[in-house]
Amino acid sequence: EAQVTQNPRYLITVTGKKLTVTCSQNMNHEYMSWYRQDPGLGLRQIYYSMNVEVTDKGDVPEGYKVSRKEKRNFPLILESPSPNQTSLYFCASSLSARSSGANVLTFGAGSRLTVL
Amino acid sequence: KNEVEQSPQNLTAQEGEFITINCSYSVGISALHWLQQHPGGGIVSLFMLSSGKKKHGRLIATINIQEKHSSLHITASHPRDSAVYICAVSPWSGNQFYFGTGTSLTVIP
Repeated sequence: EAQVTQNPRYLITVTGKKLTVTCSQNMNHEYMSWYRQDPGLGLRQIYYSMNVEVTDKGDVPEGYKVSRKEKRNFPLILESPSPNQTSLYFCASSLSARSSGANVLTFGAGSRLTVL
Repeated sequence: KNEVEQSPQNLTAQEGEFITINCSYSVGISALHWLQQHPGGGIVSLFMLSSGKKKHGRLIATINIQEKHSSLHITASHPRDSAVYICAVSPWSGNQFYFGTGTSLTVIP
């Protein structure tokens, strides 16, 4: 089944404890991206990647890192999480990086992160 | 500044009613997307539009590029249509996506 898989789905952690949310897609998609969803603010883009080793900042990159060492994987790293990073996170991918907005996005199921 | 505005924010309808959700945007776009998010669930793509109109079952999406406006219509609404509907655009100038804050739809039996 074609899908985007995120892990963990739920995580409660403490301030400053490094964590990684993994994202993997099995569709050979070029474009991958991370979003956070907060009440009243909607979805906001954190980082995106056009292809292997090509990443760029979205609207809210502060406090996050990403890497794209393989085409299928795009992990989101929180080096020193803080309570304001408590949110629902989504990974998504689409087929082509060229005119990526004109390709359908496939989303993961979401990862609910709580930072105490 | 919010590049994408949706209305209404919340909508309650009786089963069988015709529903319209509106999306206005302020930038030139390569495409507009309508997404659906069920409570506690993930996000699925309903439509991707760059012009005209698309239909899938009881759902119809239209876009007017000149007016920078899109509508999502649901005919003969059903309780299973209850979800948050999100409008997203991708500007010509980049590879980012901008999202509306969503319309929460509740269809009452």
